[in-house]
Amino acid sequence: AQKITQTQPGMFVQEKEAVTLDCTYDTSDPSYGLFWYKQPSSGEMIFLIYQGSYDQQNATEGRYSLNFQKARKSANLVISASQLGDSAMYFCAMREGTGDMRFGAGTRLTVKP
Amino acid sequence: GAGVSQSPSNKVTEKGKDVELRCDPISGHTALYWYRQSLGQGLEFLIYFQGNSAPDKSGLPSDRFSAERTGGSVSTLTIQRTQQEDSAVYLCASSLRTENSPLHFGNGTRLTVT
Repeated sequence: AQKITQTQPGMFVQEKEAVTLDCTYDTSDPSYGLFWYKQPSSGEMIFLIYQGSYDQQNATEGRYSLNFQKARKSANLVISASQLGDSAMYFCAMREGTGDMRFGAGTRLTVKP
Repeated sequence: GAGVSQSPSNKVTEKGKDVELRCDPISGHTALYWYRQSLGQGLEFLIYFQGNSAPDKSGLPSDRFSAERTGGSVSTLTIQRTQQEDSAVYLCASSLRTENSPLHFGNGTRLTVT
């Protein structure tokens, strides 16, 4: 069974600085995908970035990058140049093959002006 | 195009009543998911439909919960004999059947059991 762990219930970062949100996972399936989602206070779920288990390079999408360490089974999200609008809940998720997707408990990020 | 549509957006019901929550996925998305999110908490997996395959019901918390997907499109989540602990936001999502396809979420149904 797949398992996703986010150990940081809450994080604070100063505006314009970078922040890393941790995510570790556990799976025995060699083919899997890792996803990060953002949930602002409005409640909508916004897809941010994807990393496949066979991808050789770390994924990047604008200010978001994924620090993928396969041997350590970690997929940390890095947000560069934080903005006030980045304040939200962030969820790490994993899909094994084309199966269902499971989520971590989330990290609440607060960006300070 | 249209996104994932959920109805109703809010539902208040009395303890012991049955409720039905509806999800209309994005056209062409073969995968459909239901999650439950309590206030300030993470997403609890409930059930997963993929095409014509048997659904993965491993996340349903009790036999009071059931879901079906008719014609590979619209899905209904039914909660029988609702309890106060069922109060939460129920989120539906759909995706294509490829490994790198993200989930597209609806706005959720906020269920309150009084």
